[in-house]
Amino acid sequence: EAQVTQNPRYLITVTGKKLTVTCSQNMNHEYMSWYRQDPGLGLRQIYYSMNVEVTDKGDVPEGYKVSRKEKRNFPLILESPSPNQTSLYFCASSLEPWTEAFFGQGTRLTVV
Amino acid sequence: AQSVTQLDSHVSVSEGTPVLLRCNYSSSYSPSLFWYVQHPNKGLQLLLKYTSAATLVKGINGFEAEFKKSETSFHLTKPSAHMSDAAEYFCVVSGNQGGKLIFGQGTELSVKP
Repeated sequence: EAQVTQNPRYLITVTGKKLTVTCSQNMNHEYMSWYRQDPGLGLRQIYYSMNVEVTDKGDVPEGYKVSRKEKRNFPLILESPSPNQTSLYFCASSLEPWTEAFFGQGTRLTVV
Repeated sequence: AQSVTQLDSHVSVSEGTPVLLRCNYSSSYSPSLFWYVQHPNKGLQLLLKYTSAATLVKGINGFEAEFKKSETSFHLTKPSAHMSDAAEYFCVVSGNQGGKLIFGQGTELSVKP
């Protein structure tokens, strides 16, 4: 089954404690991206990757890092989380940037 | 620059009545446009997409949308709402900057029995 898998689904952490949210897709897609969803703001892109070792900033990259060492994986790293990063995060992948995006189930992160 | 505006943050309809969710976009070139649906505690699912073929696009679950270039609109419609349609809906335009997806703010659809 074609899918994008994110882990964990829920995470509560403290300010400053580094964390990683994993994302994996099994569709051999070139394009992957991370979004955060906040009430009234829709989804905003954090980072995207056109291919292995090619990543670039989206609209709200501050406080986040990503890596793309393998085609299937695109982890999101928060080196020093802060409360304003409390949000719902989605990973997505697609064959091309302008084609249908497949989304993970989401990760609800709370930073206290 | 591209942008998407969903004109209603919340729409409430009765079961069996038509649904209209409005979306206007701004783009300096011919865009790709999408509607995604998000059910509670779920990820996003593609409803339909427009990619410069037919202007009337049919999607899943009886939804359709019409691309109107002169009005820069891409409204989502369904003839008869079902309780299972209650969800949040996002209008999305595909940007030309690395293929970034630009999301509208979302419209929450409520369906009353």
